[in-house]
Amino acid sequence: NAGVTQTPKFQVLKTGQSMTLQCAQDMNHEYMSWYRQDPGMGLRLIHYSVGAGITDQGEVPNGYNVSRSTTEDFPLRLLSAAPSQTSVYFCASSPRGTGGSGANVLTFGAGSRLTVL
Amino acid sequence: AQSVAQPEDQVNVAEGNPLTVKCTYSVSGNPYLFWYVQYPNRGLQFLLKYITGDNLVKGSYGFEAEFNKSQTSFHLKKPSALVSDSALYFCAVRDTGGYQKVTFGTGTKLQVIP
Repeated sequence: NAGVTQTPKFQVLKTGQSMTLQCAQDMNHEYMSWYRQDPGMGLRLIHYSVGAGITDQGEVPNGYNVSRSTTEDFPLRLLSAAPSQTSVYFCASSPRGTGGSGANVLTFGAGSRLTVL
Repeated sequence: AQSVAQPEDQVNVAEGNPLTVKCTYSVSGNPYLFWYVQYPNRGLQFLLKYITGDNLVKGSYGFEAEFNKSQTSFHLKKPSALVSDSALYFCAVRDTGGYQKVTFGTGTKLQVIP
């Protein structure tokens, strides 16, 4: 299994440009989420989804859009990039928490480093 | 709203000595608690979790964590630190409601000194 795959690994944007960070998982996990990691701020939740067609906002959703049309994919869209969105982005997924050793455990992608100039 | 606090930005410990990385949480109802580790330039890996049951939870690489409901704490421990344990450690809490929103702390950098 590939697990959680994020693309691209690195991206440089100019202020005002838009782009999509891709996230795909092949584990049939219901729950998927996007975090950003900034020095001293830890991991902050941007958006999350508990299944296809269902998304909700996390702590820092402004400037980002998500959709969940399939179980496997959860893309994160930056509508008009700003320097404040320079960060490392992580996608994570987990199975529904119904028991078992893997329940509620997040599997993370390798990360996408975004720089906005 | 749920939250996690990791009061130490960095913990330094000598190799072979016991280590503790602190975490306190705030959540309505019963918490689901987790520890994850991030090695340099890598993604995050799961270490251990507390859902219910024994207050002492054992996880990967010899780590364990103690759940203390009265102190709302979930400290990570290891009896004997290795240089290879040097990494960034994150505590996390999950909403026990219908949605599985997971909130992370700010992270603690563990430095094990040879």
